[in-house]
Amino acid sequence: GIQVEQSPPDLILQEGANSTLRCNFSDSVNNLQWFHQNPWGQLINLFYIPSGTKQNGRLSATTVATERYSLLYISSSQTTDSGVYFCAVELGRDDKIIFGKGTRLHILP
Amino acid sequence: DAGITQSPRHKVTETGTPVTLRCHQTENHRYMYWYRQDPGHGLRLIHYSYGVKDTDKGEVSDGYSVSRSKTEDFLLTLESATSSQTSVYFCAISEDSYEKLFFGSGTQLSVL
Repeated sequence: GIQVEQSPPDLILQEGANSTLRCNFSDSVNNLQWFHQNPWGQLINLFYIPSGTKQNGRLSATTVATERYSLLYISSSQTTDSGVYFCAVELGRDDKIIFGKGTRLHILP
Repeated sequence: DAGITQSPRHKVTETGTPVTLRCHQTENHRYMYWYRQDPGHGLRLIHYSYGVKDTDKGEVSDGYSVSRSKTEDFLLTLESATSSQTSVYFCAISEDSYEKLFFGSGTQLSVL
């Protein structure tokens, strides 16, 4: 079946550190997005990135569709980066957007 | 921010009662989705819609039905709520299936 796996499941870092979050998927992808869920539960779309590389401030993402993975980079972490990061994909062409279980990031001051 | 309103924001109900959650959008987006979020499971797709009266099942559709009679409204109904349906329910919209997904603020549902 469809598989979307994220790693690591949990990550604790000191403020100022850099981090890399990974999303592996089991099939060809038409749509891959990264989200941040803040401690208040709000889900924010960070990137729409089915292939290639994008950057937005301290965050960047790279998707290598042929090797079926995507990476989210967070540089110079701040406490406001804490929360859960989700990867979501549309595998194949069935319009279903499926989420991984997320990486919980905790940035210590 | 995308114009998405979920109602109610919180609801407590009893096992066996019917419950309807509403998602309203002002963006005229074609796609609308219902997800549930539970600890350890991330977000799981319940149902989605790709147009008025066009809906399809997601990963965890048993016990749920949906309706979309207008572009702006997507209703999720639990015909007979069970305790296993206690969850946070999120609505999301996108202009098309290959476009960015935007989420509402969620509905916390407790079934006692």
